Amino acid sequence: DIQMTQSPSSLSASVGDRVTITCQASQDISNYLNWYQQKAGKAPKVLIYAASNLEAGVPSRFSGSGSGTHFTLTISSLQPEDFAIYYCQQYNDFSTFGGGTRVAI
Amino acid sequence: QVQLQESGPGLVKSSETLSLTCAVSGASISSGDHYWTWIRQHPGKGLECIGYIYYIGYTYYNPSLKGRITMSLDPSNNQFSLKLRSVTAADTAVYYCARERSSGVRYFDYWGQGTLVAVSS
Repeated sequence: DIQMTQSPSSLSASVGDRVTITCQASQDISNYLNWYQQKAGKAPKVLIYAASNLEAGVPSRFSGSGSGTHFTLTISSLQPEDFAIYYCQQYNDFSTFGGGTRVAI
Repeated sequence: QVQLQESGPGLVKSSETLSLTCAVSGASISSGDHYWTWIRQHPGKGLECIGYIYYIGYTYYNPSLKGRITMSLDPSNNQFSLKLRSVTAADTAVYYCARERSSGVRYFDYWGQGTLVAVSS
């Protein structure tokens, strides 16, 4: 099965910071990669699909890039509501999630 | 507005069967546009896909859980179900049902709120 490795596992940042999270796949997954945001006690919410496509209603400060085995999620200017856990998910072979990145103040 | 809602016991005894149902509103589980999926999250941990069922009854289960899982559809009530047999403490988790787009780009676009299931000895 395909393993997804996220880094860092956690980070501290301030409002207005630019934040980058990376996700590495154990094999080539083309662009079959999504990003989700999860807040405490809530279900995850999709932010980016197919590596670089912004889901409707998601603020444009979120962006995704990458293909093959290396992917990034960038938040251009961190807002208070962005403090959460972020997960990548591959769907090239069934579906597996990365271990998550906690973004904290 | 699509909504999914999980229901089922919050406590299951070890070695017994965990049974959950997901009621869907605002969309039809008989549509071929989506997979109907179960995902779980162990306390304080990441997300694990359990498997999915398609409107024709086709299922795909996580190989790590295969042999213990059964998923089924109930089109008359627009809901789908999960049964996980021979549970242990390792099956304690929040269980989510979700809808996944089935063609081209695939992602989970709607989720239930999640239900915590604890396995007791």
